[in-house]
Amino acid sequence: ILNVEQSPQSLHVQEGDSTNFTCSFPSSNFYALHWYRWETAKSPEALFVMTLNGDEKKKGRISATLNTKEGYSYLYIKGSQPEDSATYLCAFPWGVRDMRFGAGTRLTVKP
Amino acid sequence: NAGVTQTPKFQVLKTGQSMTLQCAQDMNHEYMSWYRQDPGMGLRLIHYSVGAGITDQGEVPNGYNVSRSTTEDFPLRLLSAAPSQTSVYFCASSKHLIGRLGEAFFGQGTRLTVV
Repeated sequence: ILNVEQSPQSLHVQEGDSTNFTCSFPSSNFYALHWYRWETAKSPEALFVMTLNGDEKKKGRISATLNTKEGYSYLYIKGSQPEDSATYLCAFPWGVRDMRFGAGTRLTVKP
Repeated sequence: NAGVTQTPKFQVLKTGQSMTLQCAQDMNHEYMSWYRQDPGMGLRLIHYSVGAGITDQGEVPNGYNVSRSTTEDFPLRLLSAAPSQTSVYFCASSKHLIGRLGEAFFGQGTRLTVV
């Protein structure tokens, strides 16, 4: 059984704080690692698709790193804002046509 | 750009009833899929399609049917609703086989309650 684990399950930070959370995945047969941002009452939206060990991607105040050898990826948010409040999902391709999602980290940023 | 359009947004069914969740995309994506989201769990794949006329089962296919007669549409049918099918359902499409390099584009979800 393939497990994609995300931690922590939830996180509460103050506006302006920087924060990070983790996605752990099997290190064998790696193809790609996806990060999605899911706001309440909306649909998940892709943040990053990461493919190379050591890869670092950035979009505004959000960045992500990838370690395929040890099977983890970190998502960082610098200077959190209330609009960053969302659930952040990571997903790992499994088999040819499937993708396994983690349960997500629910981030709440308090003004 | 409509992207992925999913209807309805909310539905309440009685046990044993059947219904169809609609999904349409206008991005000419070959790959489409249906997921369900349950509390404390990740999105789980129900069925997927790699092109018109081609469908296959995902991780949790029991109780659901799909068909893909056109590139644009990928409806999900609940044959005889059960309380265990109470969930939030998402349709997604991708230019490439999902997970390889192609990000998934999601519909807005259907919150289904079976009583």
